[in-house]
Amino acid sequence: EVQLLESGGGLVQPGGSLRLSCVASGSTFANYVLSWVRQPPGKGLEWISVIYGGGGGTYYADSVKGRFSVSRDNSRNTLYLQMNSLRAEDTALYYCAKDGWIQEAGRWGNWFAPWGQGTLVSVSS
Amino acid sequence: SDLTQDPAVSVALGQTVTITCQGDRLRNFYASWYQQKPGQAPVLVMFGKNNRPSGIPDRFSGSNSGNTASLTISGAQAEDEGDYYCNCRDNSGYFRLFGGGTRLTV
Repeated sequence: EVQLLESGGGLVQPGGSLRLSCVASGSTFANYVLSWVRQPPGKGLEWISVIYGGGGGTYYADSVKGRFSVSRDNSRNTLYLQMNSLRAEDTALYYCAKDGWIQEAGRWGNWFAPWGQGTLVSVSS
Repeated sequence: SDLTQDPAVSVALGQTVTITCQGDRLRNFYASWYQQKPGQAPVLVMFGKNNRPSGIPDRFSGSNSGNTASLTISGAQAEDEGDYYCNCRDNSGYFRLFGGGTRLTV
């Protein structure tokens, strides 16, 4: 069973940078599709980024595009999220999650499982 | 396009409750559903047409009609209390979107 463990969160000033890590168990990490999802305190979930296996194509939500960068080191079974130009509204619990998908009756559906336990990022002066 | 959920729903113990998620993208793609309890990471409870991950009780079921995905709990238990989120991909397959969440009170 795949397990995910995030780290790297902390307090950072507006305009600063932070890099989050997510270490995964499992022998086929290179094939995993992995997403970052965040949750501001007391609010809902927001998907922010995905990275694919193989060539590692990356995609971002508009709210973080141009400021955040996702990458992976398959030799270390580790996913990263480099966060630059941080803003107060980036304050959230950041989760990594493994993507999956299914096709049934001609329709596709995706899901996230498992999730890590999250790492808290606070942006404040 | 957005995914719309009712902010809060309540159900009496042992009764049936349906949580809905509406959005145009649901006409073409299945939603997935997540349960989140206070202080815990979300847990996948439903995906695809009507698939429960291992360990999810069979009182959880899913359905789809038009632009609406539904998660039904038949015989709700106290431990089902929590926040429920739907999620769906877009046409490109690259971007995902969460609904605003529904707080279920049992």
